[in-house]
Amino acid sequence: GENVEQHPSTLSVQEGDSAVIKCTYSDSASNYFPWYKQELGKRPQLIIDIRSNVGEKKDQRIAVTLNKTAKHFSLHITETQPEDSAVYFCAANIPNTGNQFYFGTGTSLTVIP
Amino acid sequence: ETGVTQTPRHLVMGMTNKKSLKCEQHLGHNAMYWYKQSAKKPLELMFVYSLEERVENNSVPSRFSPECPNSSHLFLHLHTLQPEDSALYLCASSQVPGHTPNTGELFFGEGSRLTVL
Repeated sequence: GENVEQHPSTLSVQEGDSAVIKCTYSDSASNYFPWYKQELGKRPQLIIDIRSNVGEKKDQRIAVTLNKTAKHFSLHITETQPEDSAVYFCAANIPNTGNQFYFGTGTSLTVIP
Repeated sequence: ETGVTQTPRHLVMGMTNKKSLKCEQHLGHNAMYWYKQSAKKPLELMFVYSLEERVENNSVPSRFSPECPNSSHLFLHLHTLQPEDSALYLCASSQVPGHTPNTGELFFGEGSRLTVL
């Protein structure tokens, strides 16, 4: 099955700085890569996603890049704010195996005011 | 009503008990999932039902038994659990590619916090 690795496991940045979280995947059949944010005690929620036919996608302060050849994708958050503090999960989706989603181990982001 | 609803939100059970977790989705999706979330571990995919058919997952102990009576409801039956099974159990739903509407997004419930004594 798919193996998704995520780094770093913890990340602390000063407010206003940028944060970058990186993930790699193993199965070339994966074609959809969402990122989820989970605040303490709450459900994971989708913040941005990218499909395999696109190299980069941006939504305000959040961007995701995908390198299919190297099988890695990254989340970039610019101008970080304290409310960005949460655990972020990357995932890879294989559509032809029951639409399964495989998650990374998570990155705990702390934005220091 | 929220998109994906889970009950109960909290459950404490002994190792000899039998209990069930319930999940209901109101999004018209055709795939439902159970994930286990433990501290400092990735979200572990336990079971997938896609178009009401179960996708086998051999790594899940038989003390966990899923049931999907229709595309809107999903259960996780629990029996003779171990303390290490204590975790947050998250239900999720999505739309299988090729079926409308298809955003690909996985919608999670709030989770059921299970404690096994």
